[in-house]
Amino acid sequence: NAGVTQTPKFRVLKTGQSMTLLCAQDMNHEYMYWYRQDPGMGLRLIHYSVGEGTTAKGEVPDGYNVSRLKKQNFLLGLESAAPSQTSVYFCASSYSGLAGGTDTQYFGPGTRLTVL
Amino acid sequence: AQSVSQHNHHVILSEAASLELGCNYSYGGTVNLFWYVQYPGQHLQLLLKYFSGDPLVKGIKGFEAEFIKSKFSFNLRKPSVQWSDTAEYFCAVYTGGFKTIFGAGTRLFVKA
Repeated sequence: NAGVTQTPKFRVLKTGQSMTLLCAQDMNHEYMYWYRQDPGMGLRLIHYSVGEGTTAKGEVPDGYNVSRLKKQNFLLGLESAAPSQTSVYFCASSYSGLAGGTDTQYFGPGTRLTVL
Repeated sequence: AQSVSQHNHHVILSEAASLELGCNYSYGGTVNLFWYVQYPGQHLQLLLKYFSGDPLVKGIKGFEAEFIKSKFSFNLRKPSVQWSDTAEYFCAVYTGGFKTIFGAGTRLFVKA
């Protein structure tokens, strides 16, 4: 049981380049999330998904797109990277029998992205 | 705006010292409260959580937290820390609608 995995672990981009971060979970969780963490700030929600084929915007969605084509995978895309997107990105998933995704979130190891 | 404040960004303690990490939130409605921990080189993982009932919550590894509704606080405590408690600790508050607000984190270093 690998839990939540993220690919890649590190990446350096030039301004304007594009890339996709992959998150995979093997716990059959319905809900998946993408966060970014910046120095001195907490994790901020970028996008989330409540099930296969659905996505929704979080707190800081601008400049990012997501897709959830398969239940176990949640992709985060940067179409034209900017230095302001330099951050550590965390993926998480959760399963909840309660409405609203209140259950425990399981996190991936993070992806450290630098945009020059 | 809804927010979560963790009072200390860095804490240094000696082994066997007592620990209290402060967490205050600004939200007037019903909340679910969490403390997550990230050990060096590892994933964020749940330490403990409060949904309802007894406001004193016990978690893994001897940690506990007390929800004081009137103070909008959810402080984390441990009577005697160990070197292995060196980690970053995040307080988080779920306010509804898939929105979990995280604090900025507190880095704890325990000297052996």
